[in-house]
Amino acid sequence: NAGVTQTPKFQVLKTGQSMTLQCAQDMNHEYMSWYRQDPGMGLRLIHYSVGAGITDQGEVPNGYNVSRSTTEDFPLRLLSAAPSQTSVYFCASRDTAKNIQYFGAGTRLSVL
Amino acid sequence: GQSLEQPSEVTAVEGAIVQINCTYQTSGFYGLSWYQQHDGGAPTFLSYNGLDGLEETGRFSSFLSRSDSYGYLLLQELQMKDSASYFCAVRANQAGTALIFGKGTTLSVSS
Repeated sequence: NAGVTQTPKFQVLKTGQSMTLQCAQDMNHEYMSWYRQDPGMGLRLIHYSVGAGITDQGEVPNGYNVSRSTTEDFPLRLLSAAPSQTSVYFCASRDTAKNIQYFGAGTRLSVL
Repeated sequence: GQSLEQPSEVTAVEGAIVQINCTYQTSGFYGLSWYQQHDGGAPTFLSYNGLDGLEETGRFSSFLSRSDSYGYLLLQELQMKDSASYFCAVRANQAGTALIFGKGTTLSVSS
C-alpha cells in the first residue's frame, strides 16, 4: 500500500516556466488537498477536492490550478512560476471516517 | 475564516512532560487534530478530538475544551526522537473537506 505518492521530489524552475506537480493516492479517499509549507508559516491550504470533478480554493490559491479527473489523481499546476512560489508542496488525502489525513513525502520547488 | 495560535518553540529535557497549547477561532467547529513533522519529513497524524475531554495514545494525549476554544497536546516521558514540529489543525468546514493548520510548535528535547 503506497499511500500518497508525489512526483517529482525536487524541481528547479526559471521564472515564467510552467509545470505540474503530480499526486496519486491508492486508498480510495474522496478528499484530497494541496498545501505549501514555508519557514514559520506552517502548512497553508492551496486547493482541495471532495471527489472527481469537484475542486475548491483554499487559503492561498493564486497562481495555482488543480483538476480532479479520477479519484486517485490530483495534480497541481503552476501556470507561470514566480520566485514567491519557492516552497515545499505537500499533497494529502483524507480518511473521513477516521479523521486522519495522510501526506505525501513532498515536492521541494525552487523558482529562480 | 479560521485561525489557530500555538507557541512557536518549546524546549524540554528527556523524561520530562511538555504541553503544547492551541487556541482557535473558527466560524464553526468540527474537531481539532494534531500532527507531527520531523525535519525534512511529511506531517503524520497523532490524534483527533471531536468532543471535549482527553484522548490518550501511548505517551501522547490530547485535550479539547470547546467552550474555551482551546486544546493541548501532552507529551510524556519525552525522548530525543520527539524533537519535531507539532501542528494543531481544524476542519475548514462542516463537511471536513480540508484541514487548516496552525503555524506549528518546534519542540527541542535535550539530554
